[in-house]
Amino acid sequence: AQKITQTQPGMFVQEKEAVTLDCTYDTSDPSYGLFWYKQPSSGEMIFLIYQGSYDQQNATEGRYSLNFQKARKSANLVISASQLGDSAMYFCAMRVNNAGNMLTFGGGTRLMVKP
Amino acid sequence: EAQVTQNPRYLITVTGKKLTVTCSQNMNHEYMSWYRQDPGLGLRQIYYSMNVEVTDKGDVPEGYKVSRKEKRNFPLILESPSPNQTSLYFCASSRLAGGYHYEQYFGPGTRLTVT
Repeated sequence: AQKITQTQPGMFVQEKEAVTLDCTYDTSDPSYGLFWYKQPSSGEMIFLIYQGSYDQQNATEGRYSLNFQKARKSANLVISASQLGDSAMYFCAMRVNNAGNMLTFGGGTRLMVKP
Repeated sequence: EAQVTQNPRYLITVTGKKLTVTCSQNMNHEYMSWYRQDPGLGLRQIYYSMNVEVTDKGDVPEGYKVSRKEKRNFPLILESPSPNQTSLYFCASSRLAGGYHYEQYFGPGTRLTVT
């Protein structure tokens, strides 16, 4: 079975600083994808970034980057230059090739950006 | 505009009264799924469908039914709702060819309260 663990229920960060949100995963399947989603207070789920298990380089999308450490089974999200609008819940998720393409989510991290 | 729509957005009902939450996507996606979101638990998959007439159970299918008669629609049916089904429900869709690479697009969510 697949499992995603996010150990930080809540975090504060000062505006304009960088912040790392932790995510560890567990799967025995060699083919998988890792995703991060943002959920603002309005409730919608917004896709941020994707990392494939065979990708050699860490994924980046604007201010978001994914620190992928395959041997440690971690996929931490790094947000550079935090903005007030980054305050939200962040979910790490994994999709495994041989599990009906299910998306398994972690419990989430609430990020609060201080002005 | 590419989107996943859900109706209703909010619903308050009583125990035992059958209800259906509709979900529709206009992106011609093969894969559709339903999730429920509860505090501290992240999103958990209820059912998913890999194509028309192909559905399968996710992690928490008890008390729910689904059908996939058309590619664009994937309704969630609660035959006899109970208070423990009070939750925020999301429908999602994605491409499937090539497996796990594609992000899922989420609907806006349906907040269900069962009294």
